[in-house]
Amino acid sequence: GQQVMQIPQYQHVQEGEDFTTYCNSSTTLSNIQWYKQRPGGHPVFLIQLVKSGEVKKQKRLTFQFGEAKKNSSLHITATQTTDVGTYFCAGIKAAGNKLTFGGGTRVLVKP
Amino acid sequence: DSGVTQTPKHLITATGQRVTLRCSPRSGDLSVYWYQQSLDQGLQFLIQYYNGEERAKGNILERFSAQQFPDLHSELNLSSLELGDSALYFCASSAQTGYNSPLHFGNGTRLTVT
Repeated sequence: GQQVMQIPQYQHVQEGEDFTTYCNSSTTLSNIQWYKQRPGGHPVFLIQLVKSGEVKKQKRLTFQFGEAKKNSSLHITATQTTDVGTYFCAGIKAAGNKLTFGGGTRVLVKP
Repeated sequence: DSGVTQTPKHLITATGQRVTLRCSPRSGDLSVYWYQQSLDQGLQFLIQYYNGEERAKGNILERFSAQQFPDLHSELNLSSLELGDSALYFCASSAQTGYNSPLHFGNGTRLTVT
């Protein structure tokens, strides 16, 4: 079945530094979504990417969809303590009907 | 506030018991999804309903069942509970049946089986 893998599983970042988390699918995706879950909270939708090679920015967050539509990345610049949480990517394979979540990247920020 | 309401917030029960989790979607959303999140784990898709009909099924155990009612609220029934069923159960809703619209998650029901 479809698998969505995220790396790294944990990311310890010094406040102010940049980091990137990656999402890889075993199958071609029709689109990919990113969610953020704060500790003790519920997942909150961040963004959706649909087109091959698409890049979208939200303030300090940059999301990219790979050319082959099998991978995606989230890059955060100048990390802040408010960025703490788990970031999930979720994809649906082309002609599929199930949104599969990756295992998430848990981000811890060191002040 | 996502607009998705889940009750109860917490549930503690014994092995072998049966519980019902309830979800009210955002106003206007026709699709309801159920996800299971074990401690520090990812989100496991259980099942999706659209306007009262089952649309997609994930790794849902036979001991679990769900339904969506005419008023669009949904219930997830978990029976013959085992210790391993302890988890956070999220309900999410979206406007459409496909995945071109984002999912809006409720606050979850934390189930503890003792």
